[in-house]
Amino acid sequence: QVQLVQSGAEVKKPGASVKVSCKASGYTFTSYYIHWVRQAPGQGLEWIGIINPSGGSTSAPQKFHGRLTMTRDTSTNTVYMELSDLKSDDTAVYYCARDTYDRDISAGLILWGQGTLVTVSS
Amino acid sequence: DIQMTQSPSSLSASVGDRVILTCRASQSVGSYLNWYQQKPGKAPMLLIHSASSLQGGVPSRFSGSGSRTNFTLTIDSLQPEDFASYYCQQTYNTPQTFGGGTRVEI
Repeated sequence: QVQLVQSGAEVKKPGASVKVSCKASGYTFTSYYIHWVRQAPGQGLEWIGIINPSGGSTSAPQKFHGRLTMTRDTSTNTVYMELSDLKSDDTAVYYCARDTYDRDISAGLILWGQGTLVTVSS
Repeated sequence: DIQMTQSPSSLSASVGDRVILTCRASQSVGSYLNWYQQKPGKAPMLLIHSASSLQGGVPSRFSGSGSRTNFTLTIDSLQPEDFASYYCQQTYNTPQTFGGGTRVEI
């Protein structure tokens, strides 16, 4: 079964870090880029980064530079998103999602994880 | 970064209506424009990619058009299950960006 399964909800204090996992199954892990998208409560979607599971290269918006780390483990078909120095406005549901076509990041995100709620509160 | 602007932010419609949602890009994105539907508490679902290509399994009442900076998503004969939020996304370059969404309400 082709799916992405994410780790469970997290509650963190401001200034802490959170690491969310996304385990892929049912397809060739290294052939499809994985994106991270977040959604604050009642708000829209925000693209926060992409990782190439094959070589491990990543890209993220400038606003996250220094705070966002994306990694992958090809032995377990899992990608990780770690966000550090958390602030209250990082509270959101974080989704991992896979591209529609292999090695093509232009045709949208066809496969989504179930989402992971990260709550940042003192 | 390319800014994506959707309009309206919300609209009220009835079953059977034809609905047209708009997405504008701050610069040309060619045809690298995708549309998603999202229902409360669920992950988004890809409806259309590359401006006008209907994703497999998506009803044919959904259609997309446009290029460069102006795009539309049309829903012909709105069905009860279509009441949701809709987002456009540009994949012309990174950072990829989403529009703010349009909520379609009864």
